[in-house]
This record gives sequence, structure tokens and C-alpha cells, in this order.
Amino acid sequence: ETGVTQTPRHLVMGMTNKKSLKCEQHLGHNAMYWYKQSAKKPLELMFVYSLEERVENNSVPSRFSPECPNSSHLFLHLHTLQPEDSALYLCASSQERTDTQYFGPGTRLTVL
Amino acid sequence: AQKVTQAQTEISVVEKEDVTLDCVYETRDTTYYLFWYKQPPSGELVFLIRRNSFDEQNEISGRYSWNFQKSTSSFNFTITASQVVDSAVYFCALSAISSGSARQLTFGSGTQLTVLP
Repeated sequence: ETGVTQTPRHLVMGMTNKKSLKCEQHLGHNAMYWYKQSAKKPLELMFVYSLEERVENNSVPSRFSPECPNSSHLFLHLHTLQPEDSALYLCASSQERTDTQYFGPGTRLTVL
Repeated sequence: AQKVTQAQTEISVVEKEDVTLDCVYETRDTTYYLFWYKQPPSGELVFLIRRNSFDEQNEISGRYSWNFQKSTSSFNFTITASQVVDSAVYFCALSAISSGSARQLTFGSGTQLTVLP
């Protein structure tokens, strides 16, 4: 595998379910990001991890819980989501926070 | 705060036409970076180019060219002899420091380009 991978690519869940999104980067980068892309809206930065520590949390509801166990893996744990949370969730990584971000293919999430 | 404006929401051209995607940015930072990304229907954002604020030299890569003008705060992207495979949403982005916090990447709202055969 090369670049940034994300699983699953598609996810449908009910409002009471708990699920997790996974991101893995094979680029040797030190920073990882979660973005939300809703229809007709710009990309929204959700979380930033640098050297496995969360350095940014942009007022994201607590029903989204990130986890970064090492510099190559990033998770987004989901629980009791709302229908308005349906979106494309994109993971990205960069060598340093100032560097170019490389994106994964995204997880298309639908909350029923 | 920084801002990126892509005024063209949708553009439609016929194959082999040239097309320019506009991007205007705002920042108070003196050192900043500008990017273009392509998002095909598959969803992945593909990095196209990065430019720093001290380098106003235009760049050409194959059929792609970029025009960076600090005087007008613009970073426009031209595709020459467009092809159907160029159909995608194109995002302009700005990396700058906002209000003393860490450097952030701010995206424009994107331009949907459709190239018709």
C-alpha cells in the first residue's frame, strides 16, 4: 500500500450505533488530520495530531472521538451520530504541520 | 483570519478548450503557501501544486499552468486543451498563520469543472 488509505470507504449507520473510521499513512509523516466534507460546504478541519499528540480540536462535538496510537494510524470513533453528520470524512497526513498535506480517498458516511 | 474565494462554482467546457479557474485569497501573514488540489468523483483530494508567498514565478506542468499575482492576491489555474479526465472539483487552499495560532490550511469552496466530449 502507498500513500494514505482509509477504511471503510462507505459506511451506513444508525444513530445509536458505534463505529470507527481508520486511516493509515505509508509516507513516514508526523502529522495527521481529520476533515469533514459536507455537500455544498468547504472542507472543515476537525482534528490535528502531531507526533501522536492532539494539537487541534476545532469545536467538534464529543460524539466524534479521535485516536492516534502511533504516527502511522489515525482513528475516528463515532457514537450516537445525527443525520447531519452524514458527509465524506477525509484523512490527511504531512511531514510537518507546515508541509503539504496528502489525502486519503475518504469514507462516505451516511447516518440514518 | 484567512479566506479563500473561488467565485466560479461550476464551469463547463468542451474538450480541447482552455479553461482558467480563479482563486483569490486573503491573509495578513507575510509567509504563506498556496495550493491547488483536484477531487475526482472517487473523492480523494489529489495534490497538484504548492507555492510559497516569496515565489511569484509562474509554473507550467504539462497542460497545467498557474499564475500567482501577489498584487491582486490571486493564484489562478489554467488547463490547456482540456480533456474529459480533467472533470473534477478543484480546490484552492491557503496555509497561513491565523490570529497567533498555528498555521492552518484553509480551503476555498471549490469549482466543479465539467469537460464535455
